Amino acid sequence: DQQVKQNSPSLSVQEGRISILNCDYTNSMFDYFLWYKKYPAEGPTFLISISSIKDKNEDGRFTVFLNKSAKHLSLHIVPSQPGDSAVYFCAASAWDNYGQNFVFGPGTRLSVLP
Amino acid sequence: DTGVSQNPRHKITKRGQNVTFRCDPISEHNRLYWYRQTLGQGPEFLTYFQNEAQLEKSRLLSDRFSAERPKGSFSTLEIQRTEQGDSAMYLCASSLGQGAVGYTFGSGTRLTVV
Repeated sequence: DQQVKQNSPSLSVQEGRISILNCDYTNSMFDYFLWYKKYPAEGPTFLISISSIKDKNEDGRFTVFLNKSAKHLSLHIVPSQPGDSAVYFCAASAWDNYGQNFVFGPGTRLSVLP
Repeated sequence: DTGVSQNPRHKITKRGQNVTFRCDPISEHNRLYWYRQTLGQGPEFLTYFQNEAQLEKSRLLSDRFSAERPKGSFSTLEIQRTEQGDSAMYLCASSLGQGAVGYTFGSGTRLTVV
């Protein structure tokens, strides 16, 4: 059973427009969420995070929104640039006694068209 | 410090052979994680170390898998009697203790079992 879902395997957006990537989770114990970006032949790179005490976090062109009641978060990229073309992973964690192990979604491939 | 380093980048092995991967984390990071990623999926948690102690293992980590971090610095992941289903990208990540914002991933080791 997938605890973190990204139902859109791919998304294409025109340069300069907004990209919206969605993520849904099922475990109500998750209280910390991250987005990672991955280019081919590289490891995932941390992009932005949000904790469950917030509903929005912004960093430059990237904004993450969290709707706890719907167990849904989204990543907005405005304006989108061709260099943003990559696979984006949503990840979630629930604090436990040992540490912070993240559960990743399957990813959404974003293509920003010039 | 150039980030998390993984060696080798690629490994092709025959079914039944043993393979070992190495991960050198960021030097001041005390936590080290191993993840596995297959095509079309996000990274899946395998195991995690805090310093030299292996604190958690996923059920994905069968008896054929063993990980060590003998001096709390680099880590090795060994797979014995490899099977074709072991073919995947093996990602290592490190972080600086609890409360760290996400992990820093290495570029991964791609294993192909033929």
